[in-house]
Amino acid sequence: DIVLTQSPALAVSLGQRATISCRASQSVSTSSYNLMHWYQQKPGQQPKLLIYDASNLASSIPARFSGSGSGTDFTLTINPVQADDIATYYCQQSRELHTFGAGTKLELK
Amino acid sequence: QVQLQQSGAELVKPGSSVKISCKASGYTFTSYDMHWIKQQPGNGLEWIGWIYPGNGNTKYNQKFNGKATLTADKSSSTAYMQLSSLTSEDSAVYFCARGAYSGDVDYWGQGVMVTVSS
Repeated sequence: DIVLTQSPALAVSLGQRATISCRASQSVSTSSYNLMHWYQQKPGQQPKLLIYDASNLASSIPARFSGSGSGTDFTLTINPVQADDIATYYCQQSRELHTFGAGTKLELK
Repeated sequence: QVQLQQSGAELVKPGSSVKISCKASGYTFTSYDMHWIKQQPGNGLEWIGWIYPGNGNTKYNQKFNGKATLTADKSSSTAYMQLSSLTSEDSAVYFCARGAYSGDVDYWGQGVMVTVSS
């Protein structure tokens, strides 16, 4: 199974940049695609797709969210962070079946 | 617009089974995978499996083999997940979610809380 490792929490100030990382235990990239996706979840709500294929913004997601990476190392960036962005962020790979990271809780500094 | 409407909360006894539903609307039900994801209280997301309603093909996380059974009814655009031999470890919120082309899931149901208690 591909294991995805995320830091448990990240503290950030409003208006600053937040960088959330996700490391895979083996490559999740093919010759054509980077099969890593990012979700936001707020308490009591279902997750919401933010980024698919490592760097593509999902529909209706603001441009302050961006994603990058390939192979085993991926990053979700939020710049600038707004109050509405305080949530837990999950990465997910679809290279071999599907697995989620444990989530990174974005907190205010 | 795409909607996934899940059934209501369930309180079930240990050792029993439960079947929860996910009614899809706003898209062609038979053309997209339907994934199921588990979230225990205060925990992260765990992928259970997917079903392709077009032909009934399924794929499971090995951990849920024998625990979860995925089915779909094309006539009503509804996906189902049955959980068997329930224990307290099965107490969780269960989401259905539509699979997109790259294996991301682009639309999610609201979740169903299953509580296993005597």
